Amino acid sequence: DGGITQSPKYLFRKEGQNVTLSCEQNLNHDAMYWYRQDPGQGLRLIYYSQIVNDFQKGDIAEGYSVSREKKESFPLTVTSAQKNPTAFYLCASKGHTQGVEKLFFGSGTQLSVL
Amino acid sequence: LAKTTQPISMDSYEGQEVNITCSHNNIATNDYITWYQQFPSQGPRFIIQGYKTKVTNEVASLFIPADRKSSTLSLPRVSLSDTAVYYCLVGGQIYNQGGKLIFGQGTELSVKP
Repeated sequence: DGGITQSPKYLFRKEGQNVTLSCEQNLNHDAMYWYRQDPGQGLRLIYYSQIVNDFQKGDIAEGYSVSREKKESFPLTVTSAQKNPTAFYLCASKGHTQGVEKLFFGSGTQLSVL
Repeated sequence: LAKTTQPISMDSYEGQEVNITCSHNNIATNDYITWYQQFPSQGPRFIIQGYKTKVTNEVASLFIPADRKSSTLSLPRVSLSDTAVYYCLVGGQIYNQGGKLIFGQGTELSVKP
């Protein structure tokens, strides 16, 4: 069954702790994205990767880091430098299907601070 | 990058047609217009995509004028289950490649019985 898998669904971070959100896809897509969503707000781009071993900062990259060592995986680390990490995090890949180029989203990770 | 502007919220009643307009004044020549639907605590899902004129699929229609500086998503005969946030996204249609894709604030549609 193809798609985007995010884990965990819920994650709690302690003060000063780094946490990593997982994003895996088996759609064979080159491009992957991380977005942050605060309550009642739109999606804000954190990082994106157009190809393996390459990634670019989005609009709100400070306090976050990513890696893209494999095509299938694009993990996001929320570092202790991110002072307000509580949000809903969405991962997506971009690919072509049925004549349309579109984003495929995972089910999200809700991160909260203890 | 094309910035998009949409109404923050809209109200409708079941059975009515709903039209949501998105402004994208600085759309580039190779940019396509894509609409997504998002329910609470879920990732957005694709609704429809177009480049110019009119596109229709089983759930919606997309109207794009000749100057492409705006687009209108049309939802025919909405039901309660269409209550969601709708996003207009403008970006390049390069096969299986990425690029910076920026979402706007979206339009929160509330459908009432």
